[in-house]
Formats: sequence, structure tokens, C-alpha cells
Amino acid sequence: RKEVEQDPGPFNVPEGATVAFNCTYSNSASQSFFWYRQDCRKEPKLLMSVYSSGNEDGRFTAQLNRASQYISLLIRDSKLSDSATYLCVVNRNTGNQFYFGTGTSLTVIP
Amino acid sequence: SAVISQKPSRDICQRGTSLTIQCQVDSQVTMMFWYRQQPGQSLTLIATANQGSEATYESGFVIDKFPISRPNLTFSTLTVSNMSPEDSSIYLCSFLGTQTYEQYFGPGTRLTVT
Repeated sequence: RKEVEQDPGPFNVPEGATVAFNCTYSNSASQSFFWYRQDCRKEPKLLMSVYSSGNEDGRFTAQLNRASQYISLLIRDSKLSDSATYLCVVNRNTGNQFYFGTGTSLTVIP
Repeated sequence: SAVISQKPSRDICQRGTSLTIQCQVDSQVTMMFWYRQQPGQSLTLIATANQGSEATYESGFVIDKFPISRPNLTFSTLTVSNMSPEDSSIYLCSFLGTQTYEQYFGPGTRLTVT
């Protein structure tokens, strides 16, 4: 079983839509959780860290469910500029043990 | 956060040659990493670059093929040795932030081996 699993999509949504991505992780020892955004032919950029209590940054909301071992990312009022691949990343707080999902592709359509 | 740069940004190399990729951070950081990302794939960790000691390699990656240097807390190099077309990929360096284990990535080096 993979450490981190994501639905690869693609998700094609109209502008203004709300879209949600889920990511499951297999190891209960995982401690830190992140969502990264990667544009085509660019490096991944940190979008949000995911905290136990959930956190919101503008149109983006991230949540963690430790009991079910998944994290989610909700994007409200989608913009064309949100089109990208969203990577789920999990760390066990042991320095170099980062586990990357394969990414979920989002295309926002005018 | 700190600014991280890589060079070259891209290169086309012949089979059997070697390429050294440089990664520079504009402030001192404790941990630096090297990743590979093949087309349509997610990131695979090659190694952790340790300052003043040998890098720590992940399963499937060896020092002879991917020698790494980390002479100080702001700089690291990755060499891709004796290249083959299978080494064609994007190579990314990253550093660990100071809070909650977030990573910041360099812009990547796009390598094509012919």
C-alpha cells in the first residue's frame, strides 16, 4: 500500500465552483501534513500546512481527520488561476521522511 | 522565507557524461534535499544533503551515481554521473523551513540525456 494516495483526477470544474480533494495516508505515525501546488513545468510551492484543528486561507480550507487518516483541501469560488496539480505531502517529523502523493490535476474552465 | 536557486535551469547532455547541478539558498538552512521528478510522476527523494558529512541516500540511489556535496549551510551540489537516457528528468533541491517541517523547492533543473 502506498504511503500517500490521491485521486489523480483530472477534475475539470467551471469558474466559481467549489471543488474538494482528498488524500489518504497509511501510517498513523504521520505528524505533519501539507498541500502543495505545482504548475506545469514549475516546482511545487507550499499552499498550506494542515493543522489538526483545520485551517483556512481565503478561498482554501484544509482539514485533517486522524481517525480516518485523510486530509482534504477545499477550494471555493474557483478561479482560472487555480488550475494546477495539487500535491498532498505527509511527514513523520523525523527530518527526511516526506511522502508525496502523485497529485490531483485541476482545470478550471471559463 | 529564504530564496532558493538552482543552476543550470536546463541542459541537454550526451550519454556517458556527467552534470553537476548547483543549489543555493540565501540564508543558512539545516536540511537540504535532492529530488527527482520524472514526467507525469510525483517527486522521489534521492538523498538528504548533510553539511560536513556524507549524504544520506534513499533506496535505489547510490553515491557513485549521484554524488552530493554540502560544503556549508547555504549550498549543495548534485552530480548525475555517467548519464543515460533514463536519467532524463527534473531534478529539484529543497530545504526544510523552520516551522512544522514545510519544504521549499528550487525552480528545478530539466535534464535531457540523448
